[in-house]
Amino acid sequence: ETGVTQTPRHLVMGMTNKKSLKCEQHLGHNAMYWYKQSAKKPLELMFVYSLEERVENNSVPSRFSPECPNSSHLFLHLHTLQPEDSALYLCASSQDGEGRFYGYTFGSGTRLTVV
Amino acid sequence: AQTVTQSQPEMSVQEAETVTLSCTYDTSENNYYLFWYKQPPSRQMILVIRQEAYKQQNATENRFSVNFQKAAKSFSLKISDSQLGDTAMYFCAFMALQGGSEKLVFGKGTKLTVNP
Repeated sequence: ETGVTQTPRHLVMGMTNKKSLKCEQHLGHNAMYWYKQSAKKPLELMFVYSLEERVENNSVPSRFSPECPNSSHLFLHLHTLQPEDSALYLCASSQDGEGRFYGYTFGSGTRLTVV
Repeated sequence: AQTVTQSQPEMSVQEAETVTLSCTYDTSENNYYLFWYKQPPSRQMILVIRQEAYKQQNATENRFSVNFQKAAKSFSLKISDSQLGDTAMYFCAFMALQGGSEKLVFGKGTKLTVNP
């Protein structure tokens, strides 16, 4: 375990469902990230939160809605997804300003399948 | 915008041999950081090694070392004495400071298989 826990590990959902992905970090970090990992593509940075404020949103469709209630928890709310949204969703954390020294710490991801 | 290119989608190596994974990047920044991450079948991304652009000396971590060529914007990873547990996806990543925030940009990855 790296100190970043993601649940659920697997998720299958229909296009009309609403679901949420959860990420929790026990490292005392103050920055958290959502990445999308699709086959044969670079990891795509979706959202960045620093000190619980969203600092970046990389043109992600509104069917993805992040929430960061505190520095230890990060959610990704999903609704009316498309089959092309099927991917591995990775959460990561870092201490803001120290990522350059230690990189980001990642969770094991949620494998999402949209049917 | 920064981009990271890994030109080898898949590679294989015999156990105990040496393998080199290539990575190139494009940036106009002068101060940045480079990383190699490993992602085994467990899906956990694990930091393998990092390099600061202002340091000429190549980073080394046990069996893992890098060949950092700043002028060529190249950052290859050498794995010596390959072990079965090294089988994984390997991602090269770049970080520059933009507007005071750190942002990690990844390549597509190289799938490495170590054969017994």
